[in-house]
Formats: sequence, structure tokens, C-alpha cells
Amino acid sequence: DVKVTQSSRYLVKRTGEKVFLECVQDMDHENMFWYRQDPGLGLRLIYFSYDVKMKEKGDIPEGYSVSREKKERFSLILESASTNQTSMYLCASKMGTANSPLHFGNGTRLTVT
Amino acid sequence: GDSVTQMEGPVTLSEEAFLTINCTYTATGYPSLFWYVQYPGEGLQLLLKATKADDKGSNKGFEATYRKETTSFHLEKGSVQVSDSAVYFCALSDGRAGNNRKLIWGLGTSLAVNP
Repeated sequence: DVKVTQSSRYLVKRTGEKVFLECVQDMDHENMFWYRQDPGLGLRLIYFSYDVKMKEKGDIPEGYSVSREKKERFSLILESASTNQTSMYLCASKMGTANSPLHFGNGTRLTVT
Repeated sequence: GDSVTQMEGPVTLSEEAFLTINCTYTATGYPSLFWYVQYPGEGLQLLLKATKADDKGSNKGFEATYRKETTSFHLEKGSVQVSDSAVYFCALSDGRAGNNRKLIWGLGTSLAVNP
């Protein structure tokens, strides 16, 4: 089974801190994604990557950056955390073919105080 | 642009009841359609998919048929169990070259099944 592992289940940070969310997948998938999930807003795509060192902005990239130095690892960076970034963050990966399914991690609940 | 609309929840049913969660879409071209499920405390996982018109996806007793004429992909189950309590997401991938990496998501429908 594909395993997508997010480094932290719960995280509490202060406003202005730099925050790193890490995600690792073990199935050699080309594509990796970061979403945030908020009540009433569903899933919103922050960034995705289709290859090492390649990235594309999603629907809500402001305030975030990403890094993909190795194929299996995709990091989400909050340069200066703000309270409106309190959310559930979900990482996912998939193969490069059109209809291959997304495989999700269990999420990181980030609280910014 | 492409979009997905799901019925709003929460949906509350008794065990063994019939379930329908409505999903309609707008898309150009020939999208593929998906249902994902999120159990409490977990990430999403693929429940079923259909890649062309009139295809029926099925898994774990759930079914959905890709209806191009009504642009719908409604999720159904004949007899729900308490263990089906979860949030269900409808999604589409438009499949065009360069666009197959991203899914368009519905907002999710929460289902609670009571014993």
C-alpha cells in the first residue's frame, strides 16, 4: 500500500514564526500536493509539484512556499505564520497518469496563536 | 471554469437505510469523476471512479454512474452501516494534457449513520 506520511499530527506555532510541514511518500510518485481543509470551504490546493525542483501554484498560494529537493519529499513552508493559516493541512501524492488516484496523508492540524 | 456541486450536509441516517449523495458538475471536454471518503481523523481515500460516460464505479457497496446527459455522478448505497459515517467528496479531473494533475473538488457531504 502507498504510504504518505506527514511529520506532525498536531502543531502549535506563534504568529510570525517560520513553519515547516513535511511530507514523505514511499511509492515513487511524480506528483505531490499540499491542500488545506477548512469547514465550509472544502479542500483548497495551495501548491503542487510534478517533478523534483518543479512546482506550480494552486488556488491559494499566498503566504506559502514549497520545496521539493527529493522525489519522495515535499515540504510546505509558512514564511511568517499568521492566525488565518490555522487549518488542517493535507499532503497527497499520485502517479503521473491522468486518472490515477490521489493518496493522502492523515493531515497536520496547525494552530497559530 | 470547471466546477463540482454536492448536496449540503450533514446527512443523518439510520443503519440499513438507503443513501444518495447528489453530485453535479460543469466541465468542458470529457472529465473523469471520482468519489473520495474521509473517515474521522484520517486523510481522504479514493472510494470509486468513472472515466467515461455511462461507466459505473463501485466499491464497498457504494455505486455511482457517470451521467453525461444530466452532468451528474450521484453516490448511492443500498444499506448503510455505522462504519460508513464519514465525509464524502465528489471530484473531477478534466483529463486534458497538462491539466490531469489537479482535481476540482466539491465541498464535501458529512454522513452520520446511527445504530
